[in-house]
Amino acid sequence: DQQVKQNSPSLSVQEGRISILNCDYTNSMFDYFLWYKKYPAEGPTFLISISSIKDKNEDGRFTVFLNKSAKHLSLHIVPSQPGDSAVYFCAASTGTASKLTFGTGTRLQVTL
Amino acid sequence: DVKVTQSSRYLVKRTGEKVFLECVQDMDHENMFWYRQDPGLGLRLIYFSYDVKMKEKGDIPEGYSVSREKKERFSLILESASTNQTSMYLCASSLVLYGYTFGSGTRLTVV
Repeated sequence: DQQVKQNSPSLSVQEGRISILNCDYTNSMFDYFLWYKKYPAEGPTFLISISSIKDKNEDGRFTVFLNKSAKHLSLHIVPSQPGDSAVYFCAASTGTASKLTFGTGTRLQVTL
Repeated sequence: DVKVTQSSRYLVKRTGEKVFLECVQDMDHENMFWYRQDPGLGLRLIYFSYDVKMKEKGDIPEGYSVSREKKERFSLILESASTNQTSMYLCASSLVLYGYTFGSGTRLTVV
């Protein structure tokens, strides 16, 4: 009963192009969503987040879009850089709960 | 910067051994978490703690226990290690909702 799903295990994008990572969730009580980035042999690091009262949040090259009716969020990276190559996890939480439910991850490879 | 330190980067243990994974944070965070990361399954929550001596089961607590005697330290215990507990274990802490800081992880192999 995976409540947060990332259906693409891997993605390859050329440097300079747009990377789009997708995430779907099933729990309609989730009201806050986050993206984490993980390099090998390191812990995940926070990238960007969005509250359910918004449908878009932007931070530099990173933009997260939320479609509540479809229970879908996406992370756009423009332009993609080789240093963006990592595993990306989306995560979600409900109201006052402090625990995050993570997706299965998407490995992004940015090629030269 | 908040630092979350996991005592071992790599561990190899035998089936049936009792295993302790230690995690220490240095920023007085109330909340601490243990996750495991497996290919195709993402990060799954094992146990978490909101305060000293408090613990709550996560999604996959079977075969694990935890200890939080001091605010800065959260230990994960594998009572009797099994090969299906071979995994990457990640500890995290947070002060307020959503502010997770992760450690670098412990890769445990049970043989």
